[in-house]
Amino acid sequence: GDSVTQMEGPVTLSEEAFLTINCTYTATGYPSLFWYVQYPGEGLQLLLKATKADDKGSNKGFEATYRKETTSFHLEKGSVQVSDSAVYFCAQTTSGTYKYIFGTGTRLKVLA
Amino acid sequence: DAGITQSPRYKITETGRQVTLMCHQTWSHSYMFWYRQDLGHGLRLIYYSAAADITDKGEVPDGYVVSRSKTENFPLTLESATRSQTSVYFCASRLDTDTQYFGPGTRLTVL
Repeated sequence: GDSVTQMEGPVTLSEEAFLTINCTYTATGYPSLFWYVQYPGEGLQLLLKATKADDKGSNKGFEATYRKETTSFHLEKGSVQVSDSAVYFCAQTTSGTYKYIFGTGTRLKVLA
Repeated sequence: DAGITQSPRYKITETGRQVTLMCHQTWSHSYMFWYRQDLGHGLRLIYYSAAADITDKGEVPDGYVVSRSKTENFPLTLESATRSQTSVYFCASRLDTDTQYFGPGTRLTVL
């Protein structure tokens, strides 16, 4: 069945370090891909998305490229800040379905 | 304010009691969802609704009941709460487009 796999955390980085959080997916159709972020005590917020192969989603310095050939959607940021500390979820959905499949989340901790 | 709200934000109850968690959205989104979030399990879908009066089970529906008499409201009821239902519950909504929008969550503790 369809699934999303993301790297286990926690990921601990120093401020201004480069961030990569890996996400791969399996899908029978052509999914849209998402990264959501969850700050402590809050709900999930959409960070970025991509709806077709080779699309790049970007927001707040974060980027992810929809790679069909490697079925991946890795999240990157060139210079993380303490305020980026949160849990990041990769997700997919296929147009015409209700189903939204989430990864298990990756906790990021950025140290000053 | 526009958006999606949940109430209460925190709830403590006892085993066997009935509990209702409320979810309200102001966008007139057709789809609404209930998830629970537990350590080690990520987000799991409990129930979803495609429109008013249309609901269906998700991945973990046992012990829960939903209704959707109005487009904007989607309450989740635990008919007889159990300790295993201690969790953080998130409501979400979306239009026919694919982005889901989440509420702030309800932290439920069943003693």
